[in-house]
Amino acid sequence: DAGVTQSPTHLIKTRGQHVTLRCSPISGHKSVSWYQQVLGQGPQFIFQYYEKEERGRGNFPDRFSARQFPNYSSELNVNALLLGDSALYLCASMGKSSYEQYFGPGTRLTVT
Amino acid sequence: TQLLEQSPQFLSIQEGENLTVYCNSSSVFSSLQWYRQEPGEGPVLLVTVVTGGEVKKLKRLTFQFGDARKDSSLHITAAQPGDTGLYLCAGTKAQGGSEKLVFGKGTKLTVNP
Repeated sequence: DAGVTQSPTHLIKTRGQHVTLRCSPISGHKSVSWYQQVLGQGPQFIFQYYEKEERGRGNFPDRFSARQFPNYSSELNVNALLLGDSALYLCASMGKSSYEQYFGPGTRLTVT
Repeated sequence: TQLLEQSPQFLSIQEGENLTVYCNSSSVFSSLQWYRQEPGEGPVLLVTVVTGGEVKKLKRLTFQFGDARKDSSLHITAAQPGDTGLYLCAGTKAQGGSEKLVFGKGTKLTVNP
């Protein structure tokens, strides 16, 4: 069975641009969470979606937005990119129990 | 403020040695997970502990959840070079209608052959 997939794997953007990152959860999983991992730090929670509804939001500015589609895949959008947005963006797919979170390989975003 | 403190931050040992990594908090978590992450990849779930005092074993890895569900430890016996990686602990925290994972900064383990 396929695990969590994310695209693209790497991305280079310039300041002020916007970016869209994509995630497909494990088949049968209805909940997706997004995390930002800056070099040398643990992942930080951005959003959680369940059945296309936002269930939780971390301490991130409104430049960050997300949505979940009927097939449970998800997009993370970041507008007006800053240098500090450079990070590994991780998507986690959740099973029946909320503490069973399975991560994708991440998208490495570099803002120059 | 870091909710979960991991120690040590870095650890470099020789193959065959034993080690313990700690994860401490002043907060109570409904569950706690341990992940291992390799460079450029996403974290891979190793174990979830739910009950205070719970001990789980995964081959040479032993995980313990504190009685008060505020802390946890990971013990590796006879470490091997393949154990090298970033070990992250994460606690489950309720927030509104969701449960998010709160991560520590991780322990970077290097096992030298």
